[in-house]
Amino acid sequence: TQLLKQSPQFLSIQEGENLTVYCNSSSVFSSLQWYRQEPGEGPVLLVTVVTGGEVKKLKRLTFQFGDARKDSSLHITAAQTGDTGLYLCAGQSGAGSYQLTFGKGTKLSVIP
Amino acid sequence: NAGVTQTPKFQVLKTGQSMTLQCAQDMNHEYMSWYRQDPGMGLRLIHYSVGAGITDQGEVPNGYNVSRSTTEDFPLRLLSAAPSQTSVYFCASSSPGAHTQYFGPGTRLTVL
Repeated sequence: TQLLKQSPQFLSIQEGENLTVYCNSSSVFSSLQWYRQEPGEGPVLLVTVVTGGEVKKLKRLTFQFGDARKDSSLHITAAQTGDTGLYLCAGQSGAGSYQLTFGKGTKLSVIP
Repeated sequence: NAGVTQTPKFQVLKTGQSMTLQCAQDMNHEYMSWYRQDPGMGLRLIHYSVGAGITDQGEVPNGYNVSRSTTEDFPLRLLSAAPSQTSVYFCASSSPGAHTQYFGPGTRLTVL
């Protein structure tokens, strides 16, 4: 079983601060996805990274896939209260595989 | 285009009762899956299907049955509910070659 470890598990920060969330594994993934989940709703895809070393930016969010395709990070610049939620990383083991392995998530609270 | 829909939104069962959680998607996706989400455990795959008539077990299949008679529908059956099945259940769908899984809004199940 491929495991994805997310850290930190909980994060509470003031509005305007920067933060980084990590997703690490000992296994190689063909792609890695980041989802955001709000209370009472299903996860929604933020980004997919496929190439080792890839960096993708989505407004104030920066996603990076490690060179070895075993880890990823999500960096949020100048956090806003609307960023509050559960952030999940998920790895796809093979290019033709539908199945995803999810990390346990990072619960982010941004305080005004 | 409703995406992925799930019913019911909430359900309370007594131990030993059976029920079916409904999931439907209108995106003509081949791949559908069921996850359960428990506090501190992330999303765990219960069963999945790569097309009508084809299903397979995920990480935590015990106590659950599925079938896939049409592309659109993928119901999850609890044969004899147990308190350990208290959880939030999410259905998701995806198309071949796509990295994105689209999630439904979830069913919150409590087994007393």
